[in-house]
Amino acid sequence: SQTIHQWPATLVQPVGSPLSLECTVEGTSNPNLYWYRQAAGRGLQLLFYSVGIGQISSEVPQNLSASRPQDRQFILSSKKLLLSDSGFYLCAWSTSDRWGDYEQYFGPGTRLTVT
Amino acid sequence: AQKVTQAQTEISVVEKEDVTLDCVYETRDTTYYLFWYKQPPSGELVFLIRRNSFDEQNEISGRYSWNFQKSTSSFNFTITASQVVDSAVYFCALSSIGNQFYFGTGTSLTVIP
Repeated sequence: SQTIHQWPATLVQPVGSPLSLECTVEGTSNPNLYWYRQAAGRGLQLLFYSVGIGQISSEVPQNLSASRPQDRQFILSSKKLLLSDSGFYLCAWSTSDRWGDYEQYFGPGTRLTVT
Repeated sequence: AQKVTQAQTEISVVEKEDVTLDCVYETRDTTYYLFWYKQPPSGELVFLIRRNSFDEQNEISGRYSWNFQKSTSSFNFTITASQVVDSAVYFCALSSIGNQFYFGTGTSLTVIP
């Protein structure tokens, strides 16, 4: 069966510090991978998605970046965090067919507080 | 353009009442997928159901049922005899080829004991 891991679970970082969140998927090959951010009490904002190694699409211009160094590894990074980067970060994976993406499966999330 | 609208921001019901969560979608594609997710207070999103655009048969799973109507572009979710454990934020979503996965803004359901 497939599982998705995300760490750390919680993180408190000062403004201006770097960020690295990691997500790995087990039990599937060549998944579509996604990073979302959810502000408190709000909906899901798609940040990045990837359909393959080294292929990253950005949905929202910001000081965050993403990389996919391996098939089942997706990393979210920042060189300098802003207060507005605080939120709940979720990684997800899916497969797809000719009509669209199948359901996305989400990791447990990382609660990031920038102080 | 793709769009998913969940007009109900917050709903409160008393335990054992039935509740319907509305979802209206927009797409120009003839083939697509629709989904429902549950996000309990713990935060992790839980996949509930996927429905193909060419399959309008309604689905029932225990106390959960889904009504898909292409004529009104709706994919509504009903919880029968609600329980406190049903309290969560529920998201409707849409995907089609060449388009990103679209989530609605969510409906927060509170079941009062």
